[in-house]
Amino acid sequence: QKEVEQNSGPLSVPEGAIASLNCTYSDRGSQSFFWYRQYSGKSPELIMFIYSNGDKEDGRFTAQLNKASQYVSLLIRDSQPSDSATYLCAAPGGNQFYFGTGTSLTVIP
Amino acid sequence: NAGVTQTPKFRILKIGQSMTLQCAQDMNHNYMYWYRQDPGMGLKLIYYSVGAGITDKGEVPNGYNVSRSTTEDFPLRLELAAPSQTSVYFCASAPSGESDTQYFGPGTRLTVL
Repeated sequence: QKEVEQNSGPLSVPEGAIASLNCTYSDRGSQSFFWYRQYSGKSPELIMFIYSNGDKEDGRFTAQLNKASQYVSLLIRDSQPSDSATYLCAAPGGNQFYFGTGTSLTVIP
Repeated sequence: NAGVTQTPKFRILKIGQSMTLQCAQDMNHNYMYWYRQDPGMGLKLIYYSVGAGITDKGEVPNGYNVSRSTTEDFPLRLELAAPSQTSVYFCASAPSGESDTQYFGPGTRLTVL
């Protein structure tokens, strides 16, 4: 059974700060990881995916993957109130995706 | 493209009733998935399909059934509804499996009383 674990938070940061969201996974064979954002009452939407060790940047978002430590993170720079949502980490395995329970982020104006 | 559509948006069932949650996608994706999300929890996979005529169980299949007669449609059937099936149900699709982004429908909020 593959497992993906996240700190459920909640996490609160002031506007303009860096928000750091973390995820660990149990399967050393996992090759790719996905970060989804889910606003309250809405469906998940993809923020970023990462395949390789190191960092991947997309605008204010940076995903970091450390396969040796089985750890993946999402950094949100210059956090905005519109970033307030639940962030889900997911790792595919076989034909399935395994989701963490999500981290709730609140950005305080 | 409408993407992934789900009907109904909301439904209240009585214990023991049955219903079908509809899911359709117009992106010609081979893979389709059904998840449930309980409050404060992540997504749990119920069933998935890798193509028309092919379905398989996920993590929490008990009390549910699926079929996939076409590429576009992937209905989820609840037989003998129970309060434990109160949840939000999301359908998703992807072009292929492991390395592809999943696209989610808007969800169906189901309450069983």
